[in-house]
Amino acid sequence: DTGVSQDPRHKITKRGQNVTFRCDPISEHNRLYWYRQTLGQGPEFLTYFQNEAQLEKSRLLSDRFSAERPKGSFSTLEIQRTEQGDSAMYLCASSLRTGTGSSTEAFFGQGTRLTVV
Amino acid sequence: GIQVEQSPPDLILQEGANSTLRCNFSDSVNNLQWFHQNPWGQLINLFYIPSGTKQNGRLSATTVATERYSLLYISSSQTTDSGVYFCAVTARPNSGGSNYKLTFGKGTLLTVNP
Repeated sequence: DTGVSQDPRHKITKRGQNVTFRCDPISEHNRLYWYRQTLGQGPEFLTYFQNEAQLEKSRLLSDRFSAERPKGSFSTLEIQRTEQGDSAMYLCASSLRTGTGSSTEAFFGQGTRLTVV
Repeated sequence: GIQVEQSPPDLILQEGANSTLRCNFSDSVNNLQWFHQNPWGQLINLFYIPSGTKQNGRLSATTVATERYSLLYISSSQTTDSGVYFCAVTARPNSGGSNYKLTFGKGTLLTVNP
C-alpha cells in the first residue's frame, strides 16, 4: 500500500456543474476524513467516516456537498451546482481508531485542486 | 473548539541557518502532528508527537503538553526545506473537543534562499 490516493489531482469546472472526487485510504485504516484548504489557510475539517458511517459533518459542508464511503473502503465527495467559492484544495486523510477511541497518526493524499470558472 | 496558533507566520533564511517554529494550542491534546506542505499541495508527515522529543535527521520536535506548546527545529536548512509547515492537533475528549479530527494552525511559510 502506497498511501492515501486521490483522484483527480486537478479539476476545472464551470459554475453550476456537479463534480465528484474520489479518495482511496490506506487499506487498514478505518477512519477517513475530508478537509478543504483555501489559499493562505490551514486545512479545515469537512466530514469524517468511521468505516462506512459518516459520524460528523462540519457546518462548512452545505447541502450541496455530499460524501459517501460505501463498504468502508474508498470515499467520494460530490459537490452539486458548484459556485466560485467552492474553488479550493480538497484533501483526504485516513487513520486508525485506537482502543480508547482516539486516532493514530493521520496521513493525507495529494489533494484535488478544484477551480470553478 | 481547540485553537492552534503558529509563529512566526513567515520566515526567510539563508541556506545553512537554523530555525525554530512554534505551535501553541489552547487545550489538552491527544495527538499533535507536524506537516510540511510541498509546492504541489501535499501534506508530508514530519512528526507524530503528542509529548516528548523526537529527531529525524536535521529535523527535531519537542512537545510540552502540560504547557500547551510544541516546537519544530530545522538545522542546517536547505532550499528544499522551503514551503509551509503546519501544526495540527486533536483535542482530548474532556476538553470538549473531538478526539479524532485534526485542527490546523495557519502555518509558517519558510523560504530558504541559496
